[in-house]
Amino acid sequence: QSALTQPPSASGSPGQSVTISCTGTSSDVGGYNYVSWYQQHPGKAPKLMIYEVSKRPSGVPDRFSGSKSGNTASLTVSGLQAEDEADYYCSSYAGSNTLGVFGGGTKLTVL
Amino acid sequence: EVQLVESGGGLVKPGGSLRLSCAASGFTFSNAWMSWVRQAPGKGLEWVGRIKSKTDGGTTDYAAPVKGRFTISRDDSKNTLYLQMNSLKTEDTAVYYCTTYCSGGNCYWGQGTLVTVSS
Repeated sequence: QSALTQPPSASGSPGQSVTISCTGTSSDVGGYNYVSWYQQHPGKAPKLMIYEVSKRPSGVPDRFSGSKSGNTASLTVSGLQAEDEADYYCSSYAGSNTLGVFGGGTKLTVL
Repeated sequence: EVQLVESGGGLVKPGGSLRLSCAASGFTFSNAWMSWVRQAPGKGLEWVGRIKSKTDGGTTDYAAPVKGRFTISRDDSKNTLYLQMNSLKTEDTAVYYCTTYCSGGNCYWGQGTLVTVSS
């Protein structure tokens, strides 16, 4: 299973919006509505921010939103805040006989 | 509140063994599918493996790099997940996270435990 493709970096100024892409194939991202996004601050454990493409767990600000088109999923962070600076990883379900696949991660910088 | 607390990490020589534990609380552990995910220093996230609940068969799946060397098990009476790691290689050096597997991903994460494989 190949890793999902994410841009290594993204940036935006406070208050702006930024979108991070996650490209897979029809065997993972494009084939199922089970894409997740995780936020990871330095030295901390990842935290689930989006699941099933666009659902937010309780407690996650609505500034975070997810979507999918074809084989590409996207995470949009609106109204950027300093605390949003972190690494973001996507993952996708890839069928019942596999563990799924992660993206390589995107470092989001708030300028 | 869901809590996952890993333990058992440390320094081990290549070829050695180590067993990690993950104590779970705040949810019905016996009903949960559980996973291990690792992160090498400065690198991204990587699946290690997953174990289903006993009611769903209790079967395990492993990532190719660890298959045949690592074993995931669970003790539902103790709300504890285990990762037995044998024939360790330097490339197994990583922080190992215990997670709950749900909705095709990983919902809750422990704080992680560092495993260093070095001579």
